[in-house]
Amino acid sequence: DAGVIQSPRHEVTEMGQEVTLRCKPISGHNSLFWYRQTMMRGLELLIYFNNNVPIDDSGMPEDRFSAKMPNASFSTLKIQPSEPRDSAVYFCASSFLGGATYEQYFGPGTRLTVT
Amino acid sequence: ELKVEQNPLFLSMQEGKNYTIYCNYSTTSDRLYWYRQDPGKSLESLFVLLSNGAVKQEGRLMASLDTKARLSTLHITAAVHDLSATYFCAVDLRYNTDKLIFGTGTRLQVFP
Repeated sequence: DAGVIQSPRHEVTEMGQEVTLRCKPISGHNSLFWYRQTMMRGLELLIYFNNNVPIDDSGMPEDRFSAKMPNASFSTLKIQPSEPRDSAVYFCASSFLGGATYEQYFGPGTRLTVT
Repeated sequence: ELKVEQNPLFLSMQEGKNYTIYCNYSTTSDRLYWYRQDPGKSLESLFVLLSNGAVKQEGRLMASLDTKARLSTLHITAAVHDLSATYFCAVDLRYNTDKLIFGTGTRLQVFP
């Protein structure tokens, strides 16, 4: 398996622009998680889905952030409009709910810089 | 509110020395995970501990879980430079949700 795939790997954009991050989970996994990592705040869970349904979005910082999972193999995290404080590394992870553990497998991340 | 605390937050150690990283959590859980993150990289699963008393070893790293004390340890034996990374523990709430609650991470630097 190719693992969790994220794109783009790097994104540089100007304040006010829309940013879309993409994730393809491991085939067969039914839970998907979006995290944000910064030096100041560490690793934060933004939202997670189970069977394509959002289960907990309490970590989404504000209305500028939205996430979708239209099918089992694709999810997006959108920021509109972007702000400099959104600069961070965004990770997508997937797991299989119903297995022996909830071990999560992380993608390589998207490094977002908002100028 | 569930808290997962690691200490130390930063560890600088000499090659060849031994040390232990501690992970304390504030609620009942019998499953715990350790991850490693190299600088600029993603998180990689190291160990999955599924019950009280579980012990897992891989090379110079050994992880253990005491669910009664709500404590996991990651022991480093005879450290080498390649172990320099940030180590995270995470707790599985299992019965309430399938998300993991991560600790703050311990940044380990091993020097000659």
